[in-house]
Amino acid sequence: EIVLTQSPGTLSLSPGERATLSCRASQSVSSSYLTWYQQRPGQAPRLLIYGASSRATGIPDRFSGSGSGTDFTLTISRLEPEDFAVYYCQQYGSSPLTFGGGTKVEIK
Amino acid sequence: EVQLLESGGGLVQPGGSLRLSCAASGFTFSSYVMSWVRQAPGKGLEWVSGISSSGGSTYFADSVKGRFTISRDNSKNTLYLQMNSLRAEDTAVYYCAKDRWTSGHSSFDYWGQGTLVTVSS
Repeated sequence: EIVLTQSPGTLSLSPGERATLSCRASQSVSSSYLTWYQQRPGQAPRLLIYGASSRATGIPDRFSGSGSGTDFTLTISRLEPEDFAVYYCQQYGSSPLTFGGGTKVEIK
Repeated sequence: EVQLLESGGGLVQPGGSLRLSCAASGFTFSSYVMSWVRQAPGKGLEWVSGISSSGGSTYFADSVKGRFTISRDNSKNTLYLQMNSLRAEDTAVYYCAKDRWTSGHSSFDYWGQGTLVTVSS
């Protein structure tokens, strides 16, 4: 099973700042099959990025994903008030599907 | 518009059973892999089970293997999760999720709002 470790656990930033979130895999994620989700309080997760770097439909271009192998990054170029939430990575390169523990982006 | 509506959650005693349902609309349900993903209170996401578009192949996390079964009725556009021998650690919000792919497993582009399962005496 591929274990995904997200860091930091919490990121305290101000609106307008840049956020950089990390997801590290215990072994290489084949074909960069890595996804990022956003989850706001009381809501279901929302797909942001798939295939490590492809934005899902309707996702603003301030969200970008990068990386390959075992190291992946989600970048939010300028934080908007609605971006303060928890972000999860998930791999689908091997079974079972696994999620990271999440990074909370909070208002500083 | 894609909609996934879960039902069937509630309070159940340890060792008990519960059946969750997920009614799907707005897409060709019979073409897509579907999954259940759960989230314990205040915790992260855990993939629980998945099923191929035809229902012929099913997949389970080790934590639920042998206790949970997944099925689908493509004529009713409905996904099910039968949960037996429930434990306190199964307490979670259970989400129904649509896979982006029509075969194999990938990521989930649509999620239901979830149904809460509480296992407690």
